[in-house]
Amino acid sequence: GAVVSQHPSRVICKSGTSVKIECRSLDFQATTMFWYRQFPKQSLMLMATSNEGSKATYEQGVEKDKFLINHASLTLSTLTVTSAHPEDSSFYICSARDRGPNEQFFGPGTRLTVL
Amino acid sequence: AQKVTQAQTEISVVEKEDVTLDCVYETRDTTYYLFWYKQPPSGELVFLIRRNSFDEQNEISGRYSWNFQKSTSSFNFTITASQVVDSAVYFCALIEYGGAQKLVFGQGTRLTINP
Repeated sequence: GAVVSQHPSRVICKSGTSVKIECRSLDFQATTMFWYRQFPKQSLMLMATSNEGSKATYEQGVEKDKFLINHASLTLSTLTVTSAHPEDSSFYICSARDRGPNEQFFGPGTRLTVL
Repeated sequence: AQKVTQAQTEISVVEKEDVTLDCVYETRDTTYYLFWYKQPPSGELVFLIRRNSFDEQNEISGRYSWNFQKSTSSFNFTITASQVVDSAVYFCALIEYGGAQKLVFGQGTRLTINP
């Protein structure tokens, strides 16, 4: 149990286009989902926290208009990178939580390359 | 604010050697959880262990063992008789039970096991 999927696993796009990444909890209801970004050889940095049915809470320095997060249901959250640029190239990882703070399950990640 | 420090950026050992990965944390909360994750080249985070702040018992799982010492705010991870498959980046992480309940990662330690 406690499986989180992400789609796509890898995406290459041209500069200026928008990319949508889906995060799904497959066998549990996720009241809270998290989005992380990881640059090469660096740690995971939390971008935003989203609760089902409400607006996402963004970390300091993360542009909410650039990284649109929608948590429309208890099993799906989406991250849309709008007008992507090469500096947005990164590994994006989502996680989902259903109960307490110690129960957080990670997706396999999405590698975004912006040309 | 909570903080996790993994001072060892990279470690390289020969197969069958024992290796310890250090993790030091800071928190003002009395209730918190500590984690270790493994990130192989594929990028997917692999959960290794969770420990709550009230349980200082050391844990052993096969070749893996963890030493939790609240007195020194450390949660070190030892791999005994290392194998090439243990090569990966290892992250220590902390989440506080109170407040925003965000998972904060250390910088990671890149472990290379040479045959």
